[in-house]
Amino acid sequence: EPEVTQTPSHQVTQMGQEVILRCVPISNHLYFYWYRQILGQKVEFLVSFYNNEISEKSEIFDDQFSVERPDGSNFTLKIRSTKLEDSAMYFCASSGRDNEQFFGPGTRLTVL
Amino acid sequence: AQSVTQPDIHITVSEGASLELRCNYSYGATPYLFWYVQSPGQGLQLLLKYFSGDTLVQGIKGFEAEFKRSQSSFNLRKPSVHWSDAAEYFCAVELQGAQKLVFGQGTRLTINP
Repeated sequence: EPEVTQTPSHQVTQMGQEVILRCVPISNHLYFYWYRQILGQKVEFLVSFYNNEISEKSEIFDDQFSVERPDGSNFTLKIRSTKLEDSAMYFCASSGRDNEQFFGPGTRLTVL
Repeated sequence: AQSVTQPDIHITVSEGASLELRCNYSYGATPYLFWYVQSPGQGLQLLLKYFSGDTLVQGIKGFEAEFKRSQSSFNLRKPSVHWSDAAEYFCAVELQGAQKLVFGQGTRLTINP
C-alpha cells in the first residue's frame, strides 16, 4: 500500500540554525500539506501546496518557514532560523482529489 | 469562532467494553468530518470519514461514527474494544474547499485488561 514517508525521523538542531524536513508524498497525489504537533497539544495546520504554489497557510507559517517541491517526488519544509518554540513533531500529508489526507510518520524536531 | 471540541481528554475503558468518543464542531456549514488514530510514536491513521449521505459511517478496525447535524456532532463508537485500541484519537474537520484539516485536542484512550 502506498504511504507517505518522512526523513529524518528525529532532528536535533541549535537555535538559529536552518533545518530542512523532507517528505515523499504518495506518487499520484496532487495536494501536499505540513502540520505540526507540539508535545501534549493538538495537531495544527501549517501550509497546503498545490500546483507548485502555496494554496493556504496558517498564522504559524511566517517568513521563517518555506516549502518547496524541488523535483517530482519530494516535498520539503524549511525553517530558516529555528527557535526553541519550533520544537515539535512535524507531519507531512498528501491527498488526491478525494480530500482524504494520508499522513507520514512525522519528524521530531528538537531545538536546543 | 470555528472550532472542533473533544470534551474528553482521557478515557479509560475495560477490554471488551463499548466505547464512545465525542466530537463537536462549530462551523457555519457542514464540513467534511474525519477521525484519526495515533499510536505512541506513530503518525496519524485515518479511521473513517464523512462527506455526505448516510450519516452512519463504517471505518477500519471495527469503528463507526454517526454524524448528527442537529447536534453538530460526529461521535466515534466501537461495540467492543481491544487492548490494541489504546491510542490517541483525533477528530478533524475540513471546511469544503479549505484544503486544510482542523483538529480537536484529542482523546487519549486507555484500556484496562
